[in-house]
Amino acid sequence: DAKTTQPTSMDCAEGRAANLPCNHSTISGNEYVYWYRQIHSQGPQYIIHGLKNNETNEMASLIITEDRKSSTLILPHATLRDTAVYYCIVRALNTGGFKTIFGAGTRLFVKA
Amino acid sequence: DGGITQSPKYLFRKEGQNVTLSCEQNLNHDAMYWYRQDPGQGLRLIYYSQIVNDFQKGDIAEGYSVSREKKESFPLTVTSAQKNPTAFYLCASSPSPKTNQPQHFGDGTRLSIL
Repeated sequence: DAKTTQPTSMDCAEGRAANLPCNHSTISGNEYVYWYRQIHSQGPQYIIHGLKNNETNEMASLIITEDRKSSTLILPHATLRDTAVYYCIVRALNTGGFKTIFGAGTRLFVKA
Repeated sequence: DGGITQSPKYLFRKEGQNVTLSCEQNLNHDAMYWYRQDPGQGLRLIYYSQIVNDFQKGDIAEGYSVSREKKESFPLTVTSAQKNPTAFYLCASSPSPKTNQPQHFGDGTRLSIL
């Protein structure tokens, strides 16, 4: 699975959009981009995933660049409860893709 | 509600003692996984199972054992051979790992040594 690079931490004002970047420059054609978040002392929560098209669900939007080397998770109206560590993961569907590789992620602080 | 249940939430182990962490899912998922998380770090894969009666070692399997006798259950035993067992343990499940469907996680068990 390709490696990802994320900023260590970010701040966002409550009610504003939070844009969390992820670099995955070595991504392969069969690898999907997944986003999870983890609130302290809880298990990671799945947010969204995509291959090459932009995706949107009730939680967030995922924007993947045309060359697929980077992506951005957008929380359109951040709330205090969105304060968490956000993980960007790249995973393939071949036989090596059984595990989800979590790095250190981005610690998002939403401030009132 | 469908989901993954891990128990207990907190567990204390004496030196030289084996302990078993429970993980049950009612999502009808084929695959199940165990991860370990140390403070301030990401997750590391201990064991995974794609199907009943089958499992494979992950990156840090030494000192751990698992079984998969039922589709719904994937218990993890932390043996006395694991010299640094204090950590947050997370169980996850997913449909067949050969699909693009994500893994879903339980709320973890925090293991400490007395």
